[in-house]
Amino acid sequence: EDKVVQSPLSLVVHEGDTVTLNCSYEVTNFRSLLWYKQEKKAPTFLFMLTSSGIEKKSGRLSSILDKKELFSILNITATQTGDSAVYLCAGPSSGNTPLVFGKGTRLSVIA
Amino acid sequence: GAVVSQHPSWVICKSGTSVKIECRSLDFQATTMFWYRQFPKQSLMLMATSNEGSKATYEQGVEKDKFLINHASLTLSTLTVTSAHPEDSSFYICSARLSGHSYNEQFFGPGTRLTVL
Repeated sequence: EDKVVQSPLSLVVHEGDTVTLNCSYEVTNFRSLLWYKQEKKAPTFLFMLTSSGIEKKSGRLSSILDKKELFSILNITATQTGDSAVYLCAGPSSGNTPLVFGKGTRLSVIA
Repeated sequence: GAVVSQHPSWVICKSGTSVKIECRSLDFQATTMFWYRQFPKQSLMLMATSNEGSKATYEQGVEKDKFLINHASLTLSTLTVTSAHPEDSSFYICSARLSGHSYNEQFFGPGTRLTVL
């Protein structure tokens, strides 16, 4: 059974801090891993990672995948209160396979 | 591009009534759409996979007669919650997979919050 595990489940930081969110997975026939940010509504897409060791960056957010060790991290630097959200990691195992989501990391950034 | 809409965004209904939720891919074709349910402070739980022109595939524990899914076209899937009860109150989210994409990139609708009184 495919499994995606995220840690920590929740995190409280101060504005300006840097955070690292973790995602480990056991997915058969792995193809890609996705990160989403969920605020009050549906998740919004952040990154899709398919290759090991290649960092993807978008502003203060970056993510990298390690296919050998079966994990990914999502980094947020210089956090802002607007970064407060649940960050979800998900892995599909093939083209038509549904996403398997982790439980998410609830990040709270306080001023 | 790759916008998915849901309608309605929220609905309140009486126990015993049926509610239909629509999921549309606005600027792309989606042969496959997925329906999720999310309870407060919990992750997304897949309910079913909807394929255009064929029967939906339901996850274990999801009653297909209670949650009717129809994927009549490449841009529309509907979820009907039949004889809704208060325990069906939840946040329902659909996602659509871009047809022809080699990787499983899905885009989510904004969700529908269902409250059953």
